[in-house]
Amino acid sequence: ETGVTQSPTHLIKTRGQQVTLRCSSQSGHNTVSWYQQALGQGPQFIFQYYREEENGRGNFPPRFSGLQFPNYSSELNVNALELDDSALYLCASIFSPARDRGDYGYTFGSGTRLTVV
Amino acid sequence: AQKITQTQPGMFVQEKEAVTLDCTYDTSDPSYGLFWYKQPSSGEMIFLIYQGSYDQQNATEGRYSLNFQKARKSANLVISASQLGDSAMYFCAMRGGSGGYNKLIFGAGTRLAVHP
Repeated sequence: ETGVTQSPTHLIKTRGQQVTLRCSSQSGHNTVSWYQQALGQGPQFIFQYYREEENGRGNFPPRFSGLQFPNYSSELNVNALELDDSALYLCASIFSPARDRGDYGYTFGSGTRLTVV
Repeated sequence: AQKITQTQPGMFVQEKEAVTLDCTYDTSDPSYGLFWYKQPSSGEMIFLIYQGSYDQQNATEGRYSLNFQKARKSANLVISASQLGDSAMYFCAMRGGSGGYNKLIFGAGTRLAVHP
């Protein structure tokens, strides 16, 4: 149990449609990040939200957007879906892997598998 | 630019034996963190072990240990006494920079198969 919950687990959409993926963190951390993992590849950073504002973005077009809410839940929105958007989308929340040093790391949800047809 | 390299697309190991998964990294940041994650076929990214760049000792977590060689910029994962349930994809990742919260950069992964 990672404390990060994503919904839905699977989704099939048609090219050109819009999709919203959701994430919630039981830990209540105020930083959430989203990653895209294409088949056979490592995850790629999409963007990160801190206190409801985007504070970091990877190499993704503007049709990838997000929201973070006061209760620390988050959404990833993708407009004008393309076939290449088919991937596993992972949400990550901050956690401390070394409490005595104040280091931080990321714990992931189970992901949403998006298929665009 | 920061980069993670995993040169082993696939690895095989006999049950109960040890296996080493390779990871090299490239960064100019003086402070960084290195992670290993396990991803079974279900897709969940499971945190295994963490090594901070200033840690003097290699990290250990149960059957997992991280062989950290800072001068060579390598952070290999050692799994002792392999179990059938260890069969999965394994990703090495790096968190770079200091101040604020930074993204993770992942390698391409290594698929581990444990044989009975």
